[in-house]
Order: sequence, then structure tokens, then C-alpha cells
Amino acid sequence: NAGVTQTPKFQVLKTGQSMTLQCAQDMNHEYMSWYRQDPGMGLRLIHYSVGAGITDQGEVPNGYNVSRSTTEDFPLRLLSAAPSQTSVYFCASSYGQGTNQPQHFGDGTRLSIL
Amino acid sequence: AQKVTQAQTEISVVEKEDVTLDCVYETRDTTYYLFWYKQPPSGELVFLIRRNSFDEQNEISGRYSWNFQKSTSSFNFTITASQVVDSAVYFCALSERAAGNKLTFGGGTRVLVKP
Repeated sequence: NAGVTQTPKFQVLKTGQSMTLQCAQDMNHEYMSWYRQDPGMGLRLIHYSVGAGITDQGEVPNGYNVSRSTTEDFPLRLLSAAPSQTSVYFCASSYGQGTNQPQHFGDGTRLSIL
Repeated sequence: AQKVTQAQTEISVVEKEDVTLDCVYETRDTTYYLFWYKQPPSGELVFLIRRNSFDEQNEISGRYSWNFQKSTSSFNFTITASQVVDSAVYFCALSERAAGNKLTFGGGTRVLVKP
């Protein structure tokens, strides 16, 4: 019962470096998304995908890229890391669209940008 | 635009006391869904309960209960007879049917249950 798997769990980057946060789910969910969690602000949506080959921007997309080549995987790319991107990142997935199905979250990636 | 407000940033109680978490939301959609998630100190997000906008029946599930009132746009959550393991941050979240599965979260309420 893997559910949503995120790697790595922790990462420290220097300003300007690039990296990819990995997210994989084994529940055949169409919908996948990335959120960032900052103190006192809850979670904010970065990017989301309603199916393979389809992605769209969320509330805070600047500085991040995504792609969805398969149903299972939804990587998040930081092209040039900035200290403002220090945060905890959560990947989530769920069935369908516009439904009451709860999103299943990965365990998060704690990212620090120096 | 959808918005969720959790006015309580932190609540501290003694074990066995009841805890009620407030959640107020804003939406223009007539069909929407409300959720409560728990984030224990280990950091993962755990789904607790959900409610559809067209179902105002309030329910109890074990020590959890919720009070959904469309008239006041509130979706409050109560933990009865709190336990130390209930110590966590609790998030209220909203998704609109027209907006797909995009969740808007409140800022969270930290609950500390003391033995």
C-alpha cells in the first residue's frame, strides 16, 4: 500500500541550483497536485494535473515547472532555487474532477535554500 | 474566489476536555466540498472528514463530530474527550466543483492536549 510517494524527504540547495522533487502514486488517480506549506499560511497550490499530458497553474506557480508524462508520476522542478522557495512540499492525488473524493498526500519534502 | 479562515491559531486543553475548531469559508459555487485534515508532529497530512454542500446533516464518527451550517458558512469540527494523540495541526479545506479538485486550505489550528 504505497499510496503517494515523495522523494527526497529532505534537501538543502544553494541559491541558483536546480532540482526535481519526485512524486509517484499507485492508485491510478487522474488528479495530481503540488502544494507548498509555509508557517501560518496553510497549504497553497503550485501546479496540478487532471491527467497525463495535462497540467495547469495553481495559486503560486512562479519558479516551478511540472510535467505529467504518465498517470503515475508528477515531478516538480525548481529551475533556479531561491531562498523564498524554502518550504515543505506536498504532492497529492485523488480520483476524478470536481468530486468530493479526498486528496491523498505524500509525506512531504522539506526543502531549504541557502 | 474561494477562501477558508481558521481564526484560532492555537488551542491548549487538558486531556479529556472537548475541543471545537472553527472554520469559516467563502465560495461562489453552489456545489462545493469541505474537508478536515490532521497534521501530527510527524508531518504527514491525514484526511479526517468531508461534507458536501448539499448535505447539511451533522454526524458523529467516534470522538469526532462536525457542525456544517450553510447559513453562516461554517464547518466546525469537535474532538470529544481529547487525548494526547490528538495533538496536531488541523486544517479545514474547501474545493469547488467548478474548480475541479483544487483545494483551498485555512491557515490551520494547532491543538495541544496536555496530560
